[in-house]
Amino acid sequence: QQPVQSPQAVILREGEDAVINCSSSKALYSVHWYRQKHGEAPVFLMILLKGGEQKGHEKISASFNEKKQQSSLYLTASQLSYSGTYFCGTRLVEYGNKLVFGAGTILRVKS
Amino acid sequence: DAGVTQSPTHLIKTRGQQVTLRCSPKSGHDTVSWYQQALGQGPQFIFQYYEEEERQRGNFPDRFSGHQFPNYSSELNVNALLLGDSALYLCASSLSRTEAFFGQGTRLTVV
Repeated sequence: QQPVQSPQAVILREGEDAVINCSSSKALYSVHWYRQKHGEAPVFLMILLKGGEQKGHEKISASFNEKKQQSSLYLTASQLSYSGTYFCGTRLVEYGNKLVFGAGTILRVKS
Repeated sequence: DAGVTQSPTHLIKTRGQQVTLRCSPKSGHDTVSWYQQALGQGPQFIFQYYEEEERQRGNFPDRFSGHQFPNYSSELNVNALLLGDSALYLCASSLSRTEAFFGQGTRLTVV
């Protein structure tokens, strides 16, 4: 049930763009994106719901392909503060409210 | 709004002991989920409480148990602690199938 994230890690310079992918083998009800900095709790970024509704961060966008059970997080014009580990969490159509997380993508933004 | 609060923030226990961790959900949230996060890994789902009942459970032994109170706050209990139980324990609250918000976590060290 665990979603698969790619890439495992990415290094950017300030101002560059990045895409983080998340895929599931099961039908998804929703996809949730979080960023976690070292030693801190995951911080909610965005939720994408089956049917097209999205809620979240002003400067970060994401897509949800319901047919392919895939989501992508787009980080544009990256800033130093974007550094951290990004997790996607998925709720399946068939498994109620349980939110299962991927292994994470480490993002490092350099000046 | 205080957000999700957890206590204590850090805890050191000896193998074989028992521990209780506490979580107060974000105002208006009725669902509490508990996660275990080992270093370098994504949060692993332990279980979820809704209306004072355990609704879903991950692949964790019966040594892990919980409770939800009428005010929606929750406790996680771990019996017969093992060295491998050392981790960051995260509580997340949500309202039904909406976005989930994490508390700052409890860092448990078993020696």
